[in-house]
Amino acid sequence: KAGVTQTPRYLIKTRGQQVTLSCSPISGHRSVSWYQQTPGQGLQFLFEYFSETQRNKGNFPGRFSGRQFSNSRSEMNVSTLELGDSALYLCASNLNPGATQYFGPGTRLLVL
Amino acid sequence: AQSVTQLGSHVSVSEGALVLLRCNYSSSVPPYLFWYVQYPNQGLQLLLKYTSAATLVKGINGFEAEFKKSETSFHLTKPSAHMSDAAEYFCAVSEPPSNDMRFGAGTRLTVKP
Repeated sequence: KAGVTQTPRYLIKTRGQQVTLSCSPISGHRSVSWYQQTPGQGLQFLFEYFSETQRNKGNFPGRFSGRQFSNSRSEMNVSTLELGDSALYLCASNLNPGATQYFGPGTRLLVL
Repeated sequence: AQSVTQLGSHVSVSEGALVLLRCNYSSSVPPYLFWYVQYPNQGLQLLLKYTSAATLVKGINGFEAEFKKSETSFHLTKPSAHMSDAAEYFCAVSEPPSNDMRFGAGTRLTVKP
């Protein structure tokens, strides 16, 4: 069974731009979560989706948003990028909320 | 809210020596606990998980961890380190049914030949 896939793997943007990251979960998994990983703050929970609904959100500004489609694929969007948004963004999928999460390889975003 | 503390940001062992990575957790409800490993430029790979069944949990690559409620600990061990074990290790806690997993700061394991 294929794992979690994330596209693109690397991205360079400039301040003020917006970006959309994509995540395809493991086949059959209906729940998707996003995490941000930075050297300073470590791994932080962004939000989780199940059945196209956001169930939970971490402590991030409204510039960070996401959505989930009927096929369970998910996207996250960051608007008005700031230098501090440079990070590795990890997507994880699980069968249902609360089940073990399996991570994708991440998208590395660099904001210049 | 749940949280995790990993003691030691960097651990160095010799090949063949015991690996011990420490993790203490805080949770208001019976938690689920996890150890993940991250190799450079990769995502997180699940090593093992505790979900309120057996307190001694065996994972992949010879790793195991013991859940000790009285000590609020979930330390990761491996009897004999291998060069390929060099990576960053993260302990994490969640309170199901939420997906909100709280991670420790990570421990970088170095294995010396």
